[in-house]
Amino acid sequence: SQQGEEDPQALSIQEGENATMNCSYKTSINNLQWYRQNSGRGLVHLILIRSNEREKHSGRLRVTLDTSKKSSSLLITASRAADTASYFCATVETSGSRLTFGEGTQLTVNP
Amino acid sequence: EAGVTQFPSHSVIEKGQTVTLRCDPISGHDNLYWYRRVMGKEIKFLLHFVKESKQDESGMPNNRFLAERTGGTYSTLKVQPAELEDSGVYFCASSQDSPGDGNTIYFGEGSWLTVV
Repeated sequence: SQQGEEDPQALSIQEGENATMNCSYKTSINNLQWYRQNSGRGLVHLILIRSNEREKHSGRLRVTLDTSKKSSSLLITASRAADTASYFCATVETSGSRLTFGEGTQLTVNP
Repeated sequence: EAGVTQFPSHSVIEKGQTVTLRCDPISGHDNLYWYRRVMGKEIKFLLHFVKESKQDESGMPNNRFLAERTGGTYSTLKVQPAELEDSGVYFCASSQDSPGDGNTIYFGEGSWLTVV
């Protein structure tokens, strides 16, 4: 079974709209992180939320974490064409020492 | 401060050949990770070094893959012999401390491998 499953797999929106991506996981975690990968580029760390946190903001990003439902969401507000990328959530299990990724959500922001 | 650097950025080799990927972590980072993303699927963990020791190599797919980190600085990942299904992007990452303590893991740009 897959840890860190993203939903939807693909999302296409217009510039200026908000984009919401969801992530579910299966085990107890220490923290959850969101990464972005632009086409042909590396992974860029966006935001980390710890298991005892419920919400975190960074610029146009808002992340929520519901440990009772084992789920997280990433909201990008006022999207831009430059936000077009794949977005991955990754979890660090309790007493774990590595990230476990899901399959990602491909976001396309149309100008 | 230099980030995680990987070499080569792109490589095209024939099935059966050998390829060696190199990763230079951020200076001072004891933790070094290898991940790969094959055919647009999820990013999968390969292994984790702490300094020169293999902390966890449970993600290595088979014995065609060999990772080393002599001296605890840079790391190499060798694929020998390469198969078609090895095509994908290989990411290296490093962190100063364990991500379980809420530390960020920094990723390189990846080495894009195509086996033909």
